[in-house]
Amino acid sequence: KQEVTQIPAALSVPEGENLVLNCSFTDSAIYNLQWFRQDPGKGLTSLLLIQSSQREQTSGRLNASLDKSSGRSTLYIAASQPGDSATYLCLLTRGGSYIPTFGRGTSLIVHP
Amino acid sequence: NAGVTQTPKFQVLKTGQSMTLQCAQDMNHNSMYWYRQDPGMGLRLIYYSASEGTTDKGEVPNGYNVSRLNKREFSLRLESAAPSQTSVYFCASKDLAEAFFGQGTRLTVV
Repeated sequence: KQEVTQIPAALSVPEGENLVLNCSFTDSAIYNLQWFRQDPGKGLTSLLLIQSSQREQTSGRLNASLDKSSGRSTLYIAASQPGDSATYLCLLTRGGSYIPTFGRGTSLIVHP
Repeated sequence: NAGVTQTPKFQVLKTGQSMTLQCAQDMNHNSMYWYRQDPGMGLRLIYYSASEGTTDKGEVPNGYNVSRLNKREFSLRLESAAPSQTSVYFCASKDLAEAFFGQGTRLTVV
């Protein structure tokens, strides 16, 4: 069974710091990796999708990378802001019968 | 762009009552999923449907049933609700590369 681990589980930082959130998985076969954001009491907002043929994706201050050989994805948040406070979830998926598998998430607080 | 639509958004049930959570997608996806999210437990798979006419149990299926009515719709039924089923429920569908999620149903069983 595929295991998806997110480290750290929680993070509290001052505004302006550059952050790295980690997502690791046990099976390094061909997968796509999605990053989501979830605000308290809200749904899942898709941030970035890295397909298995790609190494990274960027959206604004967010950059996500995928290293299949080491079974790891990182989400880099540049110049963090209080509005970035949320839980960040990674999701491993691919086509066919594979069931999308979530990590437990990283709870981020950015304080002014 | 509707994507994945879940109804209702909120529901309060009394113990023993039944209800059906509805999910529909308009992206012509074969695969659909129901997850529940609980504090400290992450998102766990309840049931899934790899294609129209098929359904399979996930990690936490007890107390639930599902129906894949057609390619668009995948419903989750609680026959006799219990307080342990208080949770947030998410429906999802998947294409070759990406999963798409509904906005969630917040269910409270009292």
